[in-house]
Amino acid sequence: EAGVAQSPRYKIIEKRQSVAFWCNPISGHATLYWYQQILGQGPKLLIQFQNNGVVDDSQLPKDRFSAERLKGVDSTLKIQPAKLEDSAVYLCASSSIGSRNTIYFGEGSWLTVV
Amino acid sequence: SQKIEQNSEALNIQEGKTATLTCNYTNYSPAYLQWYRQDPGRGPVFLLLIRENEKEKRKERLKVTFDTTLKQSLFHITASQPADSATYLCALSSGYSTLTFGKGTMLLVSP
Repeated sequence: EAGVAQSPRYKIIEKRQSVAFWCNPISGHATLYWYQQILGQGPKLLIQFQNNGVVDDSQLPKDRFSAERLKGVDSTLKIQPAKLEDSAVYLCASSSIGSRNTIYFGEGSWLTVV
Repeated sequence: SQKIEQNSEALNIQEGKTATLTCNYTNYSPAYLQWYRQDPGRGPVFLLLIRENEKEKRKERLKVTFDTTLKQSLFHITASQPADSATYLCALSSGYSTLTFGKGTMLLVSP
């Protein structure tokens, strides 16, 4: 079974530029998550989708972050404009409705804002 | 406010010994608690889940305990190996809410 796919793996941008990350969840997983993990911290949930609807985006900085999950499969996370403090790993994860408790993570997209 | 605390200092042990990691929480009533392993440059990997009505769960060399009175979970790795070296994350959910993660504890197992 293929895991959660993310791209790009690494990205370096200047502050005020924009960046987009892509995620393809495990086939059949209805729930998709985007987490932000700053170095030395645990993952922090940014947004959770169930199919193509948003379940929780309470910690998403909506003035600069946006995410969408068209057709309930792939998802993109966009940051515009980026700030230095956005430097982090952006982890996409997915889970099935029948087993919400187990979350499968991708390898992450590493963002450095300079 | 809700807090999940894990030892911020790395735990150094010798191969063959039992590693014990601690997860404490406050202002939380979790329905279940999970442990994940994270290797450098990789995403977290699910290890074990324990529910609020369970005291202990085992999987091969791993054992998790959950004490809702003490608001604490202990994660044990018996007969530890250098390959067990990683960061271990504790995560809690109240059941309907999403998972909240601790900062993790780094485990270093020396040969």
